[in-house]
Amino acid sequence: RKEVEQDPGPFNVPEGATVAFNCTYSNSASQSFFWYRQDCRKEPKLLMSVYSSGNEDGRFTAQLNRASQYISLLIRDSKLSDSATYLCVVFMTTDSWGKLQFGAGTQVVVTP
Amino acid sequence: ETGVTQTPRHLVMGMTNKKSLKCEQHLGHNAMYWYKQSAKKPLELMFVYSLEERVENNSVPSRFSPECPNSSHLFLHLHTLQPEDSALYLCASSPVAGSNYEQYFGPGTRLTVT
Repeated sequence: RKEVEQDPGPFNVPEGATVAFNCTYSNSASQSFFWYRQDCRKEPKLLMSVYSSGNEDGRFTAQLNRASQYISLLIRDSKLSDSATYLCVVFMTTDSWGKLQFGAGTQVVVTP
Repeated sequence: ETGVTQTPRHLVMGMTNKKSLKCEQHLGHNAMYWYKQSAKKPLELMFVYSLEERVENNSVPSRFSPECPNSSHLFLHLHTLQPEDSALYLCASSPVAGSNYEQYFGPGTRLTVT
């Protein structure tokens, strides 16, 4: 089983619509969670951290469900510029050492 | 310059060639990383350096050889690569290795092995 699993998509979203997608993680001891964004042929960049109580950053809402071991990202009022691959990232520690574990990404395509 | 830079941006090499990838970070971070990104696959962590000391090597074949002369520079020396090594190689830095701090990525080197 993959440590971080994502639906690869693509999610085709009309401009102005809402899109949401999840990510599941296998290690229940995972401590921190993030969404990174990767534009086509560019490097990943941090979009937002995900907190236990859920958090918003403008049109983006992230939620964490520790019991079911998944995190979600919701994008409201989608813009053309939101087209990208969204990487789910989990921080986990093994043998007193931590590392970020990346998912393969969910592709979002916002259409006019 | 700011952030993390990588050179070259594109590289085509034969299986018998030797080449090096270069990464430089201007953020004052103590940790630097090499990742491999293949199409439709998660980023694979290859090497981690903390203050020039290698702290993690994730079972990477010996045809990949990292070098970290100081905390701002990181190299990946390549020799006798295989076609399956074709991928995007990303360098990243963060304030502290092994932590959940944000990692800042360079633009990557797109490597094609022929």
